[in-house]
Amino acid sequence: NAGVTQTPKFQVLKTGQSMTLQCAQDMNHEYMSWYRQDPGMGLRLIHYSVGAGITDQGEVPNGYNVSRSTTEDFPLRLLSAAPSQTSVYFCASTPRGESSYNEQFFGPGTRLTVL
Amino acid sequence: DQQVKQNSPSLSVQEGRISILNCDYTNSMFDYFLWYKKYPAEGPTFLISISSIKDKNEDGRFTVFLNKSAKHLSLHIVPSQPGDSAVYFCAASELRAGSYQLTFGKGTKLSVIP
Repeated sequence: NAGVTQTPKFQVLKTGQSMTLQCAQDMNHEYMSWYRQDPGMGLRLIHYSVGAGITDQGEVPNGYNVSRSTTEDFPLRLLSAAPSQTSVYFCASTPRGESSYNEQFFGPGTRLTVL
Repeated sequence: DQQVKQNSPSLSVQEGRISILNCDYTNSMFDYFLWYKKYPAEGPTFLISISSIKDKNEDGRFTVFLNKSAKHLSLHIVPSQPGDSAVYFCAASELRAGSYQLTFGKGTKLSVIP
């Protein structure tokens, strides 16, 4: 299993540009989420999905859109990038189940810079 | 308002000694607590967790203690090894809007000195 994969690893955008960060998992996990990590900050939840076709907002959703058409993929879209969105983005997935619902498996991250 | 606090941004420990990382929380609805370890340029990896109904969980060199009345948990690493040098995040889980969501602390950077 590849686990959770994210592309690209690095990206530089200009203010106002749009882009999609890709996230895929091959563990058949139902729950997926996107976090951002800023210097001196913990991980903050952007959006999450409890299954295909279902998404919801997290703590810092503004400026981001998500969709979940398949169990495997959970892309994050920046519609009009702003310098405040410069951050490292992590995608995570977790299986459903009483004993394991909390342990999230993280991807390696995408480092995004918006100029 | 920060619900999960790690008040020590960094910690240095000699190899072989005990490392103690602390975490405080304010939300009494948290029912599960986790520690994640993160190396530079990698995603966080799960280390150990504890349910709110327990006060201790042990896994090899790692032990997590939970004091619910004080809303405090700690991670003990004994003995510390240079490979333990990483950023450690405390996280707390809460059932919100029908799904469990994690709230993370800001992290503590542990340096184990050989």
